[in-house]
Amino acid sequence: AQSVTQLDSQVPVFEEAPVELRCNYSSSVSVYLFWYVQYPNQGLQLLLKYLSGSTLVKGINGFEAEFNKSQTSFHLRKPSVHISDTAEYFCAVSGGSSASKIIFGSGTRLSIRP
Amino acid sequence: NAGVMQNPRHLVRRRGQEARLRCSPMKGHSHVYWYRQLPEEGLKFMVYLQKENIIDESGMPKERFSAEFPKEGPSILRIQQVVRGDSAAYFCASSPRAGVGDTQYFGPGTRLTVL
Repeated sequence: AQSVTQLDSQVPVFEEAPVELRCNYSSSVSVYLFWYVQYPNQGLQLLLKYLSGSTLVKGINGFEAEFNKSQTSFHLRKPSVHISDTAEYFCAVSGGSSASKIIFGSGTRLSIRP
Repeated sequence: NAGVMQNPRHLVRRRGQEARLRCSPMKGHSHVYWYRQLPEEGLKFMVYLQKENIIDESGMPKERFSAEFPKEGPSILRIQQVVRGDSAAYFCASSPRAGVGDTQYFGPGTRLTVL
């Protein structure tokens, strides 16, 4: 069975500061990893995904994530955040026996302070 | 190309009533997925459908919940005899294929409140 753990439920940061949102996964098969963002009262939007190849994945809005197989992690980073980045961020995994469904983490709420 | 559409956006029901949630996938997408988000939690997979077929319903509660995706028209998630614990946001996603790793595009969700 696959699972995703987001270690921080809330991350407060100051505007223009760097941020890292942590994500660890567990799986016995090859997986595909995603980060989604959910703005208040909206649906989810894909930020980036890792399928194969380069372990550093660049996404929209200046975000990037690094796949680390040995540490089973897929942390999300941004070098300088903006107020508009305030949202909930979900790490997710698919693959193996759950090929068609996405398994989501519990989410990390990113709050940006001016 | 319009995105995934869900309606209604907000739905209020009293205990014991029925709730019907609709999802129109993106144009050209024949795969639909339903997820439920309970307050302060992540999304949980419920069911995966292709046109006229349920492919994976491993996340659906055994009773009161059903889903369909007819040949014509939107996908419907139906909850009979709703209880307070059904209060949640229900999200629909669609994809053009069901390949592993294919992006699922999410709708804005339907927020169900059971009084």
